[in-house]
Amino acid sequence: SYELTQPPSVSVSPGQTASITCSGDRLGSRYVFWYHQKPGQSPVLVIYQDTKRPSGIPERFSGSNSGNTATLTISGTQAVDEADYYCQSWASSTWVFGGGTKLTVL
Amino acid sequence: QVQLQESGPGLVKPSQTLSLTCTVSGGSISSGNYYWSWIRQPAGETLEWIGRISISGSTNYNPSVKSRVTMSIDTSKNQFSLRLDSVTAADTAVYYCARDPGDTGLDYWGQGTLVTVSS
Repeated sequence: SYELTQPPSVSVSPGQTASITCSGDRLGSRYVFWYHQKPGQSPVLVIYQDTKRPSGIPERFSGSNSGNTATLTISGTQAVDEADYYCQSWASSTWVFGGGTKLTVL
Repeated sequence: QVQLQESGPGLVKPSQTLSLTCTVSGGSISSGNYYWSWIRQPAGETLEWIGRISISGSTNYNPSVKSRVTMSIDTSKNQFSLRLDSVTAADTAVYYCARDPGDTGLDYWGQGTLVTVSS
């Protein structure tokens, strides 16, 4: 089965840029989606089709996808961005999620 | 604004069947070319997609649960449902329903409902 690999944790200082990676075999040939999830809340879609932001998502969120790695970038990270982040892609007629990355803003 | 709400028993005994319903409000479940997905998340773990159903009844299921899962849709009630047979403690999780446009991500999610499998 297809697997997506994320680092368990990423730390960033307020105002700096956070990068969260998601790796998978030839991932660049598939669309990647990103969600954030705060404790006790449902996931929220922040990036779709590799690079697009849904309505209401701040411009500081951006995405890229090439080769075997997709990256979610948060520019000017704020304390409110502290959350778990999950990547997602479609493979073999199945939605697959990454293991999740805990973003800490400190 | 589309809203989704999961409902069903919070406690299920081992070997029995887990049944959940997702009620969609703020729009017709029949409008648009959408799938409707179920996702679960054990405490402290990542998300696991269970499967999805379209308005025509077409389904895709995660191979990890395919032999035990059935999804259905009731357009008259604006609801879709999940049935998971022969549950074990490993099925204990928060279960979410979500709208699935197919190629633009899971854009609307329910608040989630905790289902515990225990005797």
